[in-house]
Amino acid sequence: QVQLVQSGAEVKKPGSSVKVSCKASGGTFSSYAISWVRQAPGQGLEWMGAIIPIFGTANYAQKFRGRVTITADESMTTAYMEVSSLRSDDTAVYYCARTSLEVRLPYYYYVMDVWGQGTTVTVSS
Amino acid sequence: IQMTQSPSSLSASVGDRVTITCQASQDIRNYLNWYQQKPGKAPKLLIFDASNLETGVPSRFSGSGSGTDFTFTISSLQPEDIATYYCQQYDNLPLFGQGTKLEIK
Repeated sequence: QVQLVQSGAEVKKPGSSVKVSCKASGGTFSSYAISWVRQAPGQGLEWMGAIIPIFGTANYAQKFRGRVTITADESMTTAYMEVSSLRSDDTAVYYCARTSLEVRLPYYYYVMDVWGQGTTVTVSS
Repeated sequence: IQMTQSPSSLSASVGDRVTITCQASQDIRNYLNWYQQKPGKAPKLLIFDASNLETGVPSRFSGSGSGTDFTFTISSLQPEDIATYYCQQYDNLPLFGQGTKLEIK
């Protein structure tokens, strides 16, 4: 059973960037997408974007376009999510999630069935 | 698409029937999932395609609806069901509802 293991907690200054990794343990995500979901303290879940590694294409929620970049390595075992120009309201737990694909859907993204453990990113001066 | 989930919080007793609703701003067919998130943990998929139970999920959980109106039900609340529940549509780019925090009375 594939598990997703994320990189460790980060503390960043406002205006800097952070890059979080998500590694598949026990397999690859070659036939899946990897979504990134964040949760600010005491708040709900917010889908940020996703990548379909086999296509090399990424989609982003409008709120995050231009400031978030999602990539995956060629081995399709590790995905990355980078946020630039960090602000204090980017303080959150960031989750990666394996996302199954369905051709009948407009963007193919279906269910998020395997999740990473979460990475806490704190933005503070 | 906007997703409106209600109530935002709910207090119920063990054994109660609990219902949460999720309304989409436009027709999303049955393209809706439900997730459970316990404090400090990652979300867990419970229901997909509005009404299909994920493997291993207890049968006291169920979902129904299509179009714009959806319902999530716990038939008999158990202490381990204390969590926040989220709907999520996938008719467009994924979008979560605001969540419903469920507490024991």
